[in-house]
Amino acid sequence: EVQLVESGGVVVQPGGSLRLSCAASGFTFDDYTMHWVRQAPGKGLEWVSLISWDGGSTYYADSVKGRFTISRDNSKNSLYLQMNSLRTEDTALYYCAKDGYGGNWLDYWGQGTLVTVSS
Amino acid sequence: DVVMTQSPLSLPVTLGQPASISCRSSQSLVYSDGNTYLNWFQQRPGQSPRRLIYKVSNRDSGVPDRFSGSGSGTDFTLKISRVEAEDVGVYYCMQGTHWPPFTFGQGTRLEIK
Repeated sequence: EVQLVESGGVVVQPGGSLRLSCAASGFTFDDYTMHWVRQAPGKGLEWVSLISWDGGSTYYADSVKGRFTISRDNSKNSLYLQMNSLRTEDTALYYCAKDGYGGNWLDYWGQGTLVTVSS
Repeated sequence: DVVMTQSPLSLPVTLGQPASISCRSSQSLVYSDGNTYLNWFQQRPGQSPRRLIYKVSNRDSGVPDRFSGSGSGTDFTLKISRVEAEDVGVYYCMQGTHWPPFTFGQGTRLEIK
């Protein structure tokens, strides 16, 4: 069974930093691209970032480019999101999600971890 | 960026009746490989999103066959043949053809009348 378990969400002040983690199990982690998607309270879904299976390619939404960094450690079956220069508008539930093969986007999602940016 | 527009945004439905959600993209979602990367997700209250449909019309494993997806180019539809109580939630379309970024519709909230 595919499992994605996010952690690391806390309350942080504007301008602060945070690293989210996503522990994957139930599938061959290094076969698949992975994403972070976020959802502000009471709002819709916003794609944040994608990383290729080997970490060699990364992509970001304009809203986080230059502030967030996605990475992975395939030896630990783990995905990360380093979040710097946090803003109040980054407050959201952050989900990690995996892809399937061949453009089979976002087939499984975790339960999310809540990041609150507030002074 | 490709803009995804869903309608209606709120959908009250009587149990056992059909429901239909429209999703329109600001440009064609046909990719150069001939595939159309349009997904549908369901988000039940208090839960994470769950994918229902991928590449327009392919149902994910475990998704009831009362859910179906159709469409082409820029116009897509999610249909529920007979709404059940467990279908309450918010439904999102998402395009994965012209990325980055991947873009979602605003969401359609389905409720029982």
